[in-house]
Amino acid sequence: EAEVAQSPRYKITEKSQAVAFWCDPISGHATLYWYRQILGQGPELLVQFQDESVVDDSQLPKDRFSAERLKGVDSTLKIQPAELGDSAMYLCASRVSGETGDTQYFGPGTRLTVL
Amino acid sequence: AQSVTQLGSHVSVSEGALVLLRCNYSSSVPPYLFWYVQYPNQGLQLLLKYTTGATLVKGINGFEAEFKKSETSFHLTKPSAHMSDAAEYFCAVSERGNNDMRFGAGTRLTVKP
Repeated sequence: EAEVAQSPRYKITEKSQAVAFWCDPISGHATLYWYRQILGQGPELLVQFQDESVVDDSQLPKDRFSAERLKGVDSTLKIQPAELGDSAMYLCASRVSGETGDTQYFGPGTRLTVL
Repeated sequence: AQSVTQLGSHVSVSEGALVLLRCNYSSSVPPYLFWYVQYPNQGLQLLLKYTTGATLVKGINGFEAEFKKSETSFHLTKPSAHMSDAAEYFCAVSERGNNDMRFGAGTRLTVKP
């Protein structure tokens, strides 16, 4: 069964350093999401792509976060500089199309710890 | 905008007992509703979803949920809990024509032997 791949699974960094996370969605899935999940809370959307275009990045802290999906396939989320409050699980999800009722399939996530 | 409230951040049941996890939603249009499960340090896995049609939805691992429009609820149930059901459960809502999916804060289910 096809899965969403993410790497690394765990990342420890010091504040003010740069970090990057990678996501490879299920093949053929045009829509890709990045979520942030703080411990004890539900996921919150950071950015949504439709193919290579950003559909929604209203909740992305653009002073330090950036996301790209250059060829409309895999995607990278970057934080520079990292802050203590960025410690969280970063989840990537994909779905076939922009249809709202379609299922989002989640990757295993990257757990970030900022020291 | 749509929102979700999960009543009870922690639920504890004995093995073999009924599982009931509560979810209420707010939506200005007919919603799509989802339940996801998350095991420690893993991503979210879809249990079931409601889009249209039958209001009682059956999912994986013996779980089911019923969409009740009059009560704006989508509670998750399982007749008999198993130790392997211990996990975090998230209810989510999205609206037709709206790309945004909103998650509840989650309910941690503990299953006692």
